[in-house]
Amino acid sequence: RKEVEQDPGPFNVPEGATVAFNCTYSNSASQSFFWYRQDCRKEPKLLMSVYSSGNEDGRFTAQLNRASQYISLLIRDSKLSDSATYLCVVNGPGGFKTIFGAGTRLFVKA
Amino acid sequence: DTEVTQTPKHLVMGMTNKKSLKCEQHMGHRAMYWYKQKAKKPPELMFVYSYEKLSINESVPSRFSPECPNSSLLNLHLHALQPEDSALYLCASSQGPTGGSGNTIYFGEGSWLTVV
Repeated sequence: RKEVEQDPGPFNVPEGATVAFNCTYSNSASQSFFWYRQDCRKEPKLLMSVYSSGNEDGRFTAQLNRASQYISLLIRDSKLSDSATYLCVVNGPGGFKTIFGAGTRLFVKA
Repeated sequence: DTEVTQTPKHLVMGMTNKKSLKCEQHMGHRAMYWYKQKAKKPPELMFVYSYEKLSINESVPSRFSPECPNSSLLNLHLHALQPEDSALYLCASSQGPTGGSGNTIYFGEGSWLTVV
């Protein structure tokens, strides 16, 4: 089993759609969790941190379920500019070993 | 804009060459990282430096040699590379696990390496 697993992509959605990405992690001692966004031929950029209490940033909502070892990202009212690869990221025990999921590619179409 | 700067942005080198990738951060972070990313794959961790000491080496071949001259600088020395080492090399930094914000990692724009 991979340490971090994400939904296989790609996701093709129309503008305005709501899309949800899921991610699971295998190490229950993992310490912190993030979603990153990566555009083609660019570096990954932090989208948001993920907390058990859930957090929201505009159209984006992230949620962590430690009991199920599950992380989610919800994008509402999708924009063309949301087209990118979304990477689920987990910091393992000790906090330095950062593990990336394989990424989910999102295409938002007009 | 990223506060982690990497040079060069593009590098082409022969298999017998010696070259270096350089990285600098001005965020006062105490941890610095090298990642390797191949096309359509996620970044793979290579090395982590914490307080200028190597804390993680993910079994990287010795033809890659990291160096951390001070808390702001990180180098990756390259020697006798193979064509399959061609990839995007990403430098990153973070406050560290005890620095709050869950050790958020910030990436530089990367160095595109081609080995011929």
